[in-house]
Amino acid sequence: GIQVEQSPPDLILQEGANSTLRCNFSDSVNNLQWFHQNPWGQLINLFYIPSGTKQNGRLSATTVATERYSLLYISSSQTTDSGVYFCAVLPGYNFNKFYFGSGTKLNVKP
Amino acid sequence: DTEVTQTPKHLVMGMTNKKSLKCEQHMGHRAMYWYKQKAKKPPELMFVYSYEKLSINESVPSRFSPECPNSSLLNLHLHALQPEDSALYLCASSHPGKNTEAFFGQGTRLTVV
Repeated sequence: GIQVEQSPPDLILQEGANSTLRCNFSDSVNNLQWFHQNPWGQLINLFYIPSGTKQNGRLSATTVATERYSLLYISSSQTTDSGVYFCAVLPGYNFNKFYFGSGTKLNVKP
Repeated sequence: DTEVTQTPKHLVMGMTNKKSLKCEQHMGHRAMYWYKQKAKKPPELMFVYSYEKLSINESVPSRFSPECPNSSLLNLHLHALQPEDSALYLCASSHPGKNTEAFFGQGTRLTVV
């Protein structure tokens, strides 16, 4: 199956700092999503971004499908941004199976 | 409404018990999923239903039995579980097909004693 790699695995920031999370994938995809998993376990949709750039407040994301990577930018981080960030992809050959990366655990300190 | 609702939020069960997890969505999605997530790991796919038919079973042990009674509901029946089955169980839904966004429920945290 498709390989999805996220980096860095762990990230510690001071409140107010900016960060970039990366997701690399090994094959063409029809869909790419970024999720934030909160401490209670819920996966919250951040972006549906198979290609291009989107922004939502302090968060933005860019996917370059031809080069098989996506970036999630967090600006002016807040303690509530803490948690685990996952990217998940839907490969071109399987429309029903989302493949998750291993996640980036973010800890924003006050 | 982009909500997927799972019940219960927490469940403790013995190894001889039978219990069920429930998932409901009203977004008109015709694909529904069960994922299992262990601590510090990403979610792992268990089952996919597409148009109320089981389309993917990721070689899940038979002590887990999924059911999709209609297009809005998804159940996971549990029987004779083992302590290693303790995990967060996540339900998701989407439109079937390639250009589709998935939405997840808040999960059921299961402990098998």
